[in-house]
Amino acid sequence: EAGVTQFPSHSVIEKGQTVTLRCDPISGHDNLYWYRRVMGKEIKFLLHFVKESKQDESGMPNNRFLAERTGGTYSTLKVQPAELEDSGVYFCASSQSVRGNYGYTFGSGTRLTVV
Amino acid sequence: LAKTTQPISMDSYEGQEVNITCSHNNIATNDYITWYQQFPSQGPRFIIQGYKTKVTNEVASLFIPADRKSSTLSLPRVSLSDTAVYYCLVGESGGSYIPTFGRGTSLIVHP
Repeated sequence: EAGVTQFPSHSVIEKGQTVTLRCDPISGHDNLYWYRRVMGKEIKFLLHFVKESKQDESGMPNNRFLAERTGGTYSTLKVQPAELEDSGVYFCASSQSVRGNYGYTFGSGTRLTVV
Repeated sequence: LAKTTQPISMDSYEGQEVNITCSHNNIATNDYITWYQQFPSQGPRFIIQGYKTKVTNEVASLFIPADRKSSTLSLPRVSLSDTAVYYCLVGESGGSYIPTFGRGTSLIVHP
C-alpha cells in the first residue's frame, strides 16, 4: 500500500510569493489532516477534511492559507502571499473513518522556507 | 482532549531497554493511547496503540495500568537507529478525532 505522499519536499520562496503544497493520502482514507511545525515548536493542527468537506479548520493561522480537497482525493494547501513566519514543515496525514483504526499515517512533510 | 505529559529527553545506550512513560490523568473512557516516532526530516510514524493492559508488536510494547492514567512505551534492545522523538497521544481513534501532539520525548541512543 502506498503511503501518504507530499510534494514538493522542499520549497524556498520569497516573501509575498504564492506556494501550493500537495498531499496525496492513502487511497480510501476519508480523513485528511494538515499540520505544521515551526522550528522549535510543537506540531500544530491546521485543518481536517472528511472526504471533500472541511470538518475543522480551527488551526488555520489566517486567511492567507487556503486548503482544498476537490473530489475527496488529494488536497492542496496554498499560502498566498507568503510571509516569513510561514516557514516551517507542513505535514499531511490520513486515516480511515472507522473508529478504532490503528493510527494515522503521516507524509514526510514539505519544508517551506520563506525568505 | 486529554493532556499528556512525558519527559523532554532521554539518553540510552545500544542494547538497553528504554521505557518512556506518559501521564494522561484525564483520559476519557473512549480514548485510546497511541505512540508515534519521528525521525528528523520525516513525518511522525505510528508505533503502537492500546486501550488497556499490555499490547506488543514487532517494534515495541505498551503497558497501560488499570486506571489508564499513564502508559509506558517499552523499546527492547534499542539501537542507534531508534534515536528519534517519541510522542504520546490520547484520544478517540478514527472518526473526527484530531491527533494533538505535545513536545514529545527526544530519545538519544549512544554507542
